[in-house]
Amino acid sequence: AQKVTQAQTEISVVEKEDVTLDCVYETRDTTYYLFWYKQPPSGELVFLIRRNSFDEQNEISGRYSWNFQKSTSSFNFTITASQVVDSAVYFCALKTGTASKLTFGTGTRLQVTL
Amino acid sequence: EPEVTQTPSHQVTQMGQEVILRCVPISNHLYFYWYRQILGQKVEFLVSFYNNEISEKSEIFDDQFSVERPDGSNFTLKIRSTKLEDSAMYFCASSWDSANTGELFFGEGSRLTVL
Repeated sequence: AQKVTQAQTEISVVEKEDVTLDCVYETRDTTYYLFWYKQPPSGELVFLIRRNSFDEQNEISGRYSWNFQKSTSSFNFTITASQVVDSAVYFCALKTGTASKLTFGTGTRLQVTL
Repeated sequence: EPEVTQTPSHQVTQMGQEVILRCVPISNHLYFYWYRQILGQKVEFLVSFYNNEISEKSEIFDDQFSVERPDGSNFTLKIRSTKLEDSAMYFCASSWDSANTGELFFGEGSRLTVL
């Protein structure tokens, strides 16, 4: 069975602060895929990044960066210099092997204020 | 940019009524999914569909639910006799990767309110 834990339910920061969203996953499969999705107030789910279990190389994309560490089963997401438009619920998700099912965490609500 | 589209955006129905939610996945995608999100809660997997049949379903997806791809473009979710607890946002998603390892692209959701 797989599980995704996002221990932070809600985070509030002031614009321009850096913020890290934590994600811890559990799976017995050796092949798996990790995702981050953003859900803005309008409700849609927006894909941000996908990582597979063979690739621990961390990535930076603009103000976003991801830190994947198999040793601690974590896939954390950092926003640098946060902006009000980053306010949303962020979901970490896991897919194992060739299974169809994407298992989501409970989400972290990020509130960025001026 | 191609996108997944869903209709209706919001439907209100009486308990016991049948509801059909419609989705048009991205045209060259191979896998299709329905997920739901009860207000304020996490996103839950319902069913996946590949090669004109269900490939996986969750325990939520009981006999009240069915999916269909009636033509080459639409993908529908039917709830036969709605219950109050079916009130949720229903998301359709599609994926291009035949090995089913790629990211899912979600529609904007259909909000179902059962009274």
